Amino acid sequence: DAGVTQSPTHLIKTRGQQVTLRCSPKSGHDTVSWYQQALGQGPQFIFQYYEEEERQRGNFPDRFSGHQFPNYSSELNVNALLLGDSALYLCASSLLAALAEAFFGQGTRLTVV
Amino acid sequence: GIQVEQSPPDLILQEGANSTLRCNFSDSVNNLQWFHQNPWGQLINLFYIPSGTKQNGRLSATTVATERYSLLYISSSQTTDSGVYFCAAPGGSGTYKYIFGTGTRLKVLA
Repeated sequence: DAGVTQSPTHLIKTRGQQVTLRCSPKSGHDTVSWYQQALGQGPQFIFQYYEEEERQRGNFPDRFSGHQFPNYSSELNVNALLLGDSALYLCASSLLAALAEAFFGQGTRLTVV
Repeated sequence: GIQVEQSPPDLILQEGANSTLRCNFSDSVNNLQWFHQNPWGQLINLFYIPSGTKQNGRLSATTVATERYSLLYISSSQTTDSGVYFCAAPGGSGTYKYIFGTGTRLKVLA
């Protein structure tokens, strides 16, 4: 059983560019959440997708957007990248939108230069 | 919203030693997770423990929801236990997000 998979694992972008990160949830899971983890901090909630809709959003600007596909996979898009967007981006999947046990992918490490 | 605090922030142990990590939360919760973040960044699930005690090998966890804390016990520590340990609790009623503590950074010396 494949766990949560994210791609790419590492990415370097220039300030002002746009980036798309991808996530495939654990088999059987229908809910995907995205988190940003800055160096030395705990993960911070960006948003959650369920039934292809954004169900809840954290304190992140509109430059952060997402999408969930019918097969439950998800994308995180960040526009107009800032140096401060450099972080580890983690995808979590769970079953149903309720706070069931969350399983995380290995993350995408984004560096903005 | 709920606040999650972890202690100690840093811990250095000699291989074979035991340790207790603590997670305090500011409001009652209906579930709680413990994770180990490996050097490559992946969060590994350790326990999903709304209340009571669970054990998995050398690790065990206890959550006392009424007193708003959870403990993670590591016995006979090994160098592979090194990394950052996080607890995460739901952000509050009507929310679907987890709030993470700032973590305990554990280093086990050979």
